[in-house]
Amino acid sequence: TQLLEQSPQFLSIQEGENLTVYCNSSSVFSSLQWYRQEPGEGPVLLVTVVTGGEVKKLKRLTFQFGDARKDSSLHITAAQPGDTGLYLCAGGGADGLTFGKGTHLIIQP
Amino acid sequence: EADIYQTPRYLVIGTGKKITLECSQTMGHDKMYWYQQDPGMELHLIHYSYGVNSTEKGDLSSESTVSRIRTEHFPLTLESARPSHTSQYLCASSGVTNEKLFFGSGTQLSVL
Repeated sequence: TQLLEQSPQFLSIQEGENLTVYCNSSSVFSSLQWYRQEPGEGPVLLVTVVTGGEVKKLKRLTFQFGDARKDSSLHITAAQPGDTGLYLCAGGGADGLTFGKGTHLIIQP
Repeated sequence: EADIYQTPRYLVIGTGKKITLECSQTMGHDKMYWYQQDPGMELHLIHYSYGVNSTEKGDLSSESTVSRIRTEHFPLTLESARPSHTSQYLCASSGVTNEKLFFGSGTQLSVL
């Protein structure tokens, strides 16, 4: 069974600060997806990375896939209250997607 | 925008009742999934389907059942609801394995 560990589990910071959350595994994944989920809604895909070392930017969000395709990070610059939510990573493998437990992020005004 | 719909959004029901949670998608996706998620917790895959007449159990054991008679429709049924079934149920679909999942808004089920 492939496991994905996300850290930190909870993070609360002030508006304007920078932050990084992590998604780690001992397994190799063919792809890595990041989702954001708001309370009472389903997760929404933010990005998919497929190549080791790949970096993708989405406005203030920067996603990186580890060289060995076992880990990923999400960096947010100048966090805004609208970034608040549960951030889930999901690794793609032969059996489909495996989700991590998520990082709960709260950005305080 | 994702075109996947779940009804009802909220359901409060008594123990022992039979319930069906509806999920429909208009994207023509072959793959559909049901996840269970407790508040603030991870998603657990309970059922999935690779196409019409295909249904498989997921990683988390569930007393629910599913059917896939039409491509666009993937309902989940609980024959006899219990308080332990209280949770959020999320339906999702994708066009290709490991491709982007489109999620519905979920059904929040409370069994009294």
